[in-house]
Amino acid sequence: EIVMTQSPATLSVSPGERATLSCRASQSVNSNLAWYQQKPGQAPRLLIYGASTRATGIPARFSGSGSGTEFTLTISSLQSEDFAVYYCQQYNNWPPFTFGQGTKLEIK
Amino acid sequence: QVQLQESGPGLVKPSETLSLPCTVSGASVSSGSYYWSWIRQPPGKGLEYIGYIYYSGIGSTNYSPSLKTRVTISVDTSKNQFSLKLSSVTAADTAVYYCARGPRVTFGGVIVGAFDIWGQGTMVTVSS
Repeated sequence: EIVMTQSPATLSVSPGERATLSCRASQSVNSNLAWYQQKPGQAPRLLIYGASTRATGIPARFSGSGSGTEFTLTISSLQSEDFAVYYCQQYNNWPPFTFGQGTKLEIK
Repeated sequence: QVQLQESGPGLVKPSETLSLPCTVSGASVSSGSYYWSWIRQPPGKGLEYIGYIYYSGIGSTNYSPSLKTRVTISVDTSKNQFSLKLSSVTAADTAVYYCARGPRVTFGGVIVGAFDIWGQGTMVTVSS
């Protein structure tokens, strides 16, 4: 089973600034990686799949990069609605699908 | 617009079976274009894959290794639902349970393993 590790656990950033979240896989997942955003009391929302393809309706300020074992989610200019928990998920070696433990993006 | 909706009891006693249907609207669970999955989230924790069903005339299932002895996922095409059953529950099974659409089977046969649409989630507490 592939283990996904996200860092940092908590990231404090001011509105309008850039946020960079990291996700590492225990072995190569090629580009088979997705990112999700979860706000309190809500279901996760798919942001990115294929490591860099935005899902339908996702704003351009969200971008994904990386391949193999190292991945990054960048939010270029943080809006108030972007403060949430973000999860990465691999789908290269499945089943099972595995998620990272999450990064909480909070207002600085 | 595709929507998924979980339903079921919010409280289950230890050693009993948790049963949750997920009703799908705006898409067919038997189209063969998508897998249909269950994912859970214990309070204050991360996401855990439970299993999926893929139905295209015949149902194919997969379950998380840690849960497979207790999990069954099935489809009711007449109701356009898929359901989760988890037996012999304990307090460790207390979680928000989500149904989700995904993976997706593309026209070229490539499978994209992301979960693109989720139900709102239902909180299940295991307690006597």
